Amino acid sequence: AQSVTQLDSQVPVFEEAPVELRCNYSSSVSVYLFWYVQYPNQGLQLLLKYLSGSTLVKGINGFEAEFNKSQTSFHLRKPSVHISDTAEYFCAVSDSGYSTLTFGRGTMLLVSP
Amino acid sequence: GAGVSQSPRYKVAKRGQDVALRCDPISGHVSLFWYQQALGQGPEFLTYFQNEAQLDKSGLPSDRFFAERPEGSVSTLKIQRTQQEDSAVYLCASSLGTSSNSPLHFGNGTRLTVT
Repeated sequence: AQSVTQLDSQVPVFEEAPVELRCNYSSSVSVYLFWYVQYPNQGLQLLLKYLSGSTLVKGINGFEAEFNKSQTSFHLRKPSVHISDTAEYFCAVSDSGYSTLTFGRGTMLLVSP
Repeated sequence: GAGVSQSPRYKVAKRGQDVALRCDPISGHVSLFWYQQALGQGPEFLTYFQNEAQLDKSGLPSDRFFAERPEGSVSTLKIQRTQQEDSAVYLCASSLGTSSNSPLHFGNGTRLTVT
């Protein structure tokens, strides 16, 4: 069985500061890893994904994440956040089968001026 | 083009009522998923369709939950005899392919409140 742990329920940060949202996973098989963003009253939008290859993955809106197999982590980073990045961020994992995702509980990123 | 459309956007039901939630996936998408997102939680998998075939319903929490996709396009999630614990946002997602590298497109969800 797969599981995803997002230790931080909320991350407050000032505009233009760097941010890291943490994600750890557990799985007995090879995994695909994803970060999704959810703005209020909207569905989830894919930020980036790791399927194979380079462990550093770049996504939309200036976000990137690094897959670390030894630490079973897939932390999301952005060097300089904007007010508009305020949203809920979900880390998710799936195995190599069809694309059913197991999500973490989410991290609310709060960007203030 | 149009994304995944879900209706109604909001639904209030009295405990014990039956509800039906609709999902219109992106045209031509083979895979369709239903997820349940309780307040303050991440989405949890309910069921998966490949065309009209329901290949996985392991996430449905009880036999009060039923999903169908009879013609391989529109899907309906039905909840019978609703309970307060059914209150959540129900998300539908579709993808063109059937493997994990086929990106999921999510709808905006239906917020169900059971009173």
